Amino acid sequence: GQNIDQPTEMTATEGAIVQINCTYQTSGFNGLFWYQQHAGEAPTFLSYNVLDGLEEKGRFSSFLSRSKGYSYLLLKELQMKDSASYLCAEEAGNMLTFGGGTRLMVKP
Amino acid sequence: EAGVAQSPRYKIIEKRQSVAFWCNPISGHATLYWYQQILGQGPKLLIQFQNNGVVDDSQLPKDRFSAERLKGVDSTLKIQPAKLEDSAVYLCASSWSRDPNYGYTFGSGTRLTVV
Repeated sequence: GQNIDQPTEMTATEGAIVQINCTYQTSGFNGLFWYQQHAGEAPTFLSYNVLDGLEEKGRFSSFLSRSKGYSYLLLKELQMKDSASYLCAEEAGNMLTFGGGTRLMVKP
Repeated sequence: EAGVAQSPRYKIIEKRQSVAFWCNPISGHATLYWYQQILGQGPKLLIQFQNNGVVDDSQLPKDRFSAERLKGVDSTLKIQPAKLEDSAVYLCASSWSRDPNYGYTFGSGTRLTVV
């Protein structure tokens, strides 16, 4: 199976910038998803990267390097409501495999 | 557009009992997935359907878990008999194609507690 690694927990301050890294195995790779999941809720789609580079969507940006098997999610101007788990997921074929998730805590 | 519907929302059963979960995907979505998410972990794929056929069930514990999608629309996931380690959230997701702006849409999940 796919081996997807991301930090277990991160803490950041309201208004700051945080980068959540993710590494994955490259065999059969199609694309890389980021999902946000608040406690007790379903994952919600944030971004999907296929090509190398940075894609920006408002306060959230996602970066992909296919050759390095590496991605990151960048969150700017952090708000308290950004406290959640962030799931990195690799798509290979038509299958989505998740990492363990990074629990982000935003403090005032 | 209606989302992915799942029921029940919560279920508490005793070990060795049986339980079934239901999922109705987004209309027109050919691919349906069942994931198991244990507290503090990422979702783990149990089974993937394409219409009414199974694409991948390599991580489904087939001695106790079963799933079907007979008409290629809604799906049920069953556990019989349940074990304590089956306590988790069971998420259903569906997708139409690899649309980068849409992704895979998840239902709210069924939280199962086995006591």
